Amino acid sequence: GAGVSQSPSNKVTEKGKDVELRCDPISGHTALYWYRQRLGQGLEFLIYFQGNSAPDKSGLPSDRFSAERTGESVSTLTIQRTQQEDSAVYLCASGAGNSYNEQFFGPGTRLTVL
Amino acid sequence: AQSVTQLDSQVPVFEEAPVELRCNYSSSVSVYLFWYVQYPNQGLQLLLKYLSGSTLVKGINGFEAEFNKSQTSFHLRKPSVHISDTAEYFCAVSDLPGGSYIPTFGRGTSLIVHP
Repeated sequence: GAGVSQSPSNKVTEKGKDVELRCDPISGHTALYWYRQRLGQGLEFLIYFQGNSAPDKSGLPSDRFSAERTGESVSTLTIQRTQQEDSAVYLCASGAGNSYNEQFFGPGTRLTVL
Repeated sequence: AQSVTQLDSQVPVFEEAPVELRCNYSSSVSVYLFWYVQYPNQGLQLLLKYLSGSTLVKGINGFEAEFNKSQTSFHLRKPSVHISDTAEYFCAVSDLPGGSYIPTFGRGTSLIVHP
């Protein structure tokens, strides 16, 4: 079956522009996570969706970052007025919604802000 | 809140040598433990996980890890590495049901296998 997919794979944008990143989770997975991975760094949690519950947005670094998910399907991460420090790989992961289940990661979107 | 420490940011090793990547976590309560591998320009994929039972867990690609509750450690080992094992390795910890569903990841260890 299909894994987690993300688009675009690469995005280059100018400082101040808005960008939208997309994640298609594995069908049936109720949990969806967004992470940021800066060059040479670990994973920085951004936001967590679980079914129809209110998302956990505790990791979003500023109000320029937002994310949506429609039901248990596609999610979009939006970064408004991008800054150079937003340059990173943005990883999406989906899971069965239990903490003992592993996460399945997409290949990531590499965002470069010039 | 949980914290995960991967003491070694980089581990260079020669091909066919054994390797150990260290992971320590902060909580003394029961947790679930995971090791993920990230090959260049790819997402993370699961190597192995500890949920309960035997403290020695075997995973894919010949890797294994040992859970040590008293030392709050979950070190990853492989008796003989290959060039293809060159990758970034992440340790992650999740709370038991009732706790946070957001796992905590370590900063990663870069395993570099030399011929």
